[in-house]
Amino acid sequence: GAVVSQHPSWVICKSGTSVKIECRSLDFQATTMFWYRQFPKQSLMLMATSNEGSKATYEQGVEKDKFLINHASLTLSTLTVTSAHPEDSSFYICSARRSGTTKETQYFGPGTRLLVL
Amino acid sequence: AQKVTQAQTEISVVEKEDVTLDCVYETRDTTYYLFWYKQPPSGELVFLIRRNSFDEQNEISGRYSWNFQKSTSSFNFTITASQVVDSAVYFCALSDTFSGGYNKLIFGAGTRLAVHP
Repeated sequence: GAVVSQHPSWVICKSGTSVKIECRSLDFQATTMFWYRQFPKQSLMLMATSNEGSKATYEQGVEKDKFLINHASLTLSTLTVTSAHPEDSSFYICSARRSGTTKETQYFGPGTRLLVL
Repeated sequence: AQKVTQAQTEISVVEKEDVTLDCVYETRDTTYYLFWYKQPPSGELVFLIRRNSFDEQNEISGRYSWNFQKSTSSFNFTITASQVVDSAVYFCALSDTFSGGYNKLIFGAGTRLAVHP
């Protein structure tokens, strides 16, 4: 199977601190990874598309300087929420597109719940 | 514009009832993919089905069945003889070439299904 992990699964931090979330494809290489945000009782909203070795593409309205994305290898993408504030509290989910497969195949991680106090 | 509409916000049924979750989509593309995902309380998205726009055959997998009708731009999901374990939020999603070069997923708002004993 294609397994995607996220770390940490839960994080609580103080306002103003930065938080890094890791997304790993465990048994496959992922040229492209996606980062989504989900507020309580809402749908998933794509934040950015991350490609290995290049800059991420951010969706409209997502601050690239606040949500730093690094995709340094074919199995790891990181999302850093800089100077987090309570309104950044959300469920962050990553997905990975398996290299060499048709474009529509995405595998989702278990998500990271962020609570900013 | 690409859009996925799940008009049913919440559905409540009693165990063993059949339930249909509606999904209507909009796209300008002739080639696209439709998905259903299940999100249990744990938050992890569970992939249920992927269907491409050229395959209008209905599909059955155990108690799950899907009805794809291009004429009405609908991709409805039916659970037969529902069980308490089916309680979750179900998302319908669309992926097409107009979503971006990496076939981004556009999610519907989700339908929260509660199955009571």
